[in-house]
Amino acid sequence: DTEVTQTPKHLVMGMTNKKSLKCEQHMGHRAMYWYKQKAKKPPELMFVYSYEKLSINESVPSRFSPECPNSSLLNLHLHALQPEDSALYLCASSQDRSQGYGYTFGSGTRLTVV
Amino acid sequence: DQQVKQNSPSLSVQEGRISILNCDYTNSMFDYFLWYKKYPAEGPTFLISISSIKDKNEDGRFTVFLNKSAKHLSLHIVPSQPGDSAVYFCAANQAGTALIFGKGTTLSVSS
Repeated sequence: DTEVTQTPKHLVMGMTNKKSLKCEQHMGHRAMYWYKQKAKKPPELMFVYSYEKLSINESVPSRFSPECPNSSLLNLHLHALQPEDSALYLCASSQDRSQGYGYTFGSGTRLTVV
Repeated sequence: DQQVKQNSPSLSVQEGRISILNCDYTNSMFDYFLWYKKYPAEGPTFLISISSIKDKNEDGRFTVFLNKSAKHLSLHIVPSQPGDSAVYFCAANQAGTALIFGKGTTLSVSS
């Protein structure tokens, strides 16, 4: 299995809703990432988990809450989002954060906040 | 401040010709440079990479060149095919840090 699977593919939520994005990989990768990408912009790093511990939080607002229940799963909990949070949310994994290997990306979750 | 720059937002090439996508960077500590390809509504797909200790890496129709003194890398696609039409992102990182992406170049290959 050489894929990163993200669910759901599309999500529409209101500003008072609570929802979660899920990411799963079975490649034995020990580093997992959340990126946010808006139209015509590059992916921007949000969080990094290394060996199931949060190692980087790029000053992301607290309405985004990551969770890594085990080495294969990564969640992003969403609460009280704003319309400007609408974007493509990408999950990625790599063998090890300490090595400069390329990442494997999922197909993303297209989030629309209304 | 952008550490990875792709100054050409778009490039149009005829099928069979060479496509050259360029990328500049400012951080001399980067260890790895990578190119990703992205279709609409999909996540980026890894294409090819190069370590900072090399100046060229080739994989089929794709070749990446690295000029460390100029802090410049380029991706050559020969011959270009219509299926190569996509957004190409240059990315870089150093050991222990996450990938940093350029803004992307949209390649259009016409038949």
